Amino acid sequence: GAGVSQTPSNKVTEKGKYVELRCDPISGHTALYWYRQSLGQGPEFLIYFQGTGAADDSGLPNDRFFAVRPEGSVSTLKIQRTERGDSAMYLCASSLEVAGLYEQYFGPGTRLTVT
Amino acid sequence: RKEVEQDPGPFNVPEGATVAFNCTYSNSASQSFFWYRQDCRKEPKLLMSVYSSGNEDGRFTAQLNRASQYISLLIRDSKLSDSATYLCVVNPVSGTYKYIFGTGTRLKVLA
Repeated sequence: GAGVSQTPSNKVTEKGKYVELRCDPISGHTALYWYRQSLGQGPEFLIYFQGTGAADDSGLPNDRFFAVRPEGSVSTLKIQRTERGDSAMYLCASSLEVAGLYEQYFGPGTRLTVT
Repeated sequence: RKEVEQDPGPFNVPEGATVAFNCTYSNSASQSFFWYRQDCRKEPKLLMSVYSSGNEDGRFTAQLNRASQYISLLIRDSKLSDSATYLCVVNPVSGTYKYIFGTGTRLKVLA
């Protein structure tokens, strides 16, 4: 079946601009996660949704970052007034419960470059 | 102390060798543990969930040591295709789905 998809695959924007990154999870997965990964580091947790609600947004670095999942499926990560330090790979994952463990499946990511 | 720590490597091993990685975690209440594999400029892919009793999948064996708060991954008979970064993942808070990734251990299998 179809995996997690993310669009765009690459985004180049100027400092100060607004960007939206989209994630389409695996059908039927109720949990959805956003991560940010810089070179040489592991993915850094940003936020996760259970259904439509943000169950934990403690990883969002500041109030320029916001994410929504209005219908419990597709999610959008929104970044206002982008800064060069926001440049990274943004990964989305959705999860399925297997034997009590929630195994995450990742999309290919959106590489964001802020110039 | 970081919540999840891994030796970044690289571990350079010859084909056919056995190699093991450890990952330590700081929260003794952590409940779920996983190993992911990440190839260069690709997304992480689930390799194995780690069960309390340990588990094996072909050449790969994962174990959990709660007393010392670490998980391990053993790869037997290494293949060139095993070259990748191996990420340790921990769910530090029971009842939530927040997962913390280590920085990864880089493995290079040499011909």
